This record gives sequence, structure tokens and C-alpha cells, in this order.
Amino acid sequence: EVQLVESGGGLIQPGGSLRLSCAASGFTVSSNYMSWVRQAPGKGLDWVSILSGGDRTYYADSVKGRFTISRDNSKNTLYLQMNSLRAEDTAVYYCARGTRGYSYGSRYDSWGRGTLVTVSS
Amino acid sequence: QSVLTQPPSASGTPGQRVTISCSGGSSNIGSNVVNWYQQFPGSAPKLLMYGNNQRPSGVPDRFSGSKSGTSASLAISGLQSEDEADYYCAAWDDSLNGVIFGGGTKVTVL
Repeated sequence: EVQLVESGGGLIQPGGSLRLSCAASGFTVSSNYMSWVRQAPGKGLDWVSILSGGDRTYYADSVKGRFTISRDNSKNTLYLQMNSLRAEDTAVYYCARGTRGYSYGSRYDSWGRGTLVTVSS
Repeated sequence: QSVLTQPPSASGTPGQRVTISCSGGSSNIGSNVVNWYQQFPGSAPKLLMYGNNQRPSGVPDRFSGSKSGTSASLAISGLQSEDEADYYCAAWDDSLNGVIFGGGTKVTVL
């Protein structure tokens, strides 16, 4: 069974850093493109970043230069390093698995339950 | 990041047909497939439709999808109370090199 479990969220002051983790089971993270998608309270889905099948990374303009997506194949875990956090980064962050056989795309067939990041002083 | 345009709300009575539109541009819907997600309050999104009009296993056939040019739509035929949820369209954008989501449509069953 495919499972994605996010962790690492919490309350952080503006300008601070957090690293989110997404532990995967039931598949290998290196076999699929993987993304982080966030959702601010009461708002819609907002794509953050993708780690493609060819190990290329892409970011939303709103986080470019501040966030870094990566994975550790030995731990089968996806990460999101978030620096210079702002109040507008407050959201539930979901880890999502892309479709196997494609390098990138918008089709995510498995999602974690999310981890809440609150940026506030 | 740019968004795809969806109506904020849609509604119908049980058994009715409801259609949700998703409007984009040449760099996203016009050149890539559209996927749809269903989300219940407090839960993660779930893939509802992929490749414009393909249903994942387990999705009832009352859900259907279509795409024409730079627009797509999701239809729910025979609306049921359990269909009350938020629905999002999504597509890859070749200009942005990223995924864009629609703003979401809240479906209410009257």
C-alpha cells in the first residue's frame, strides 16, 4: 500500500527555517516525480515544487530562491527545506506522488495527510 | 503563480447534472492534459480525473471530464449528497515550468 507521511511542520517566526519530510512506503520515491503542494487556511491548492523523474527541480515563483526540494533514496524520503519564511507561507503542506513513467506533470495519485506550517511572531 | 479559472461555487439537487468549468491558456490547458481533484473538508485532495477524461479505479462513472482548446470541464451526473466537496483542476504550464491549479469550486447539494 502506498503511504506518504509528512512531518516537520510547526510554528516558526518570520525569517526562520524549517525542513519538512515526507516518508514514503509502498514505492520508491526515485521512481516517480514528487511534489509539495500547500493550502493556506480556507484557501485553494497552491503548487510549490517538483522533483522530476530526471532529478530536475522546479519551483513556484513565490518560493524560488527560498525553498529547496530534495530526496534521500536510502531513506525513501522527500524533503522541503524552507528558508526566509514569511507569513504568507502559512499553510498545510502536502507531499504528493506523481505518476510513474512520466518525468513531470500535474497528475498526483497519492497524497499525504499534510503538515501545518505557521509563520508568525 | 497563475491560476486556472474556475467558478467558486456550483450547486444542484440530488440527481441533477452539475458542470464545473476550468479556463486556461495555450501554455497550460492548450498544450497539456488536465487533471481534477476532489477534496473534502479536513482531508487531503484525491485524484478524481486524469488525462482530461480518465477515471482512476474506484471513481464512479457519474463523473466525466472533457477538454476543448484552452478549457476543460468536469461533469457530475446524477448528483449525490456525498459529492459535496471542493473540486480543483490542474495542468502543467510550459511557460512557468510548473503546475497550476484552478481556484477551486465548492459543490453544494441542495
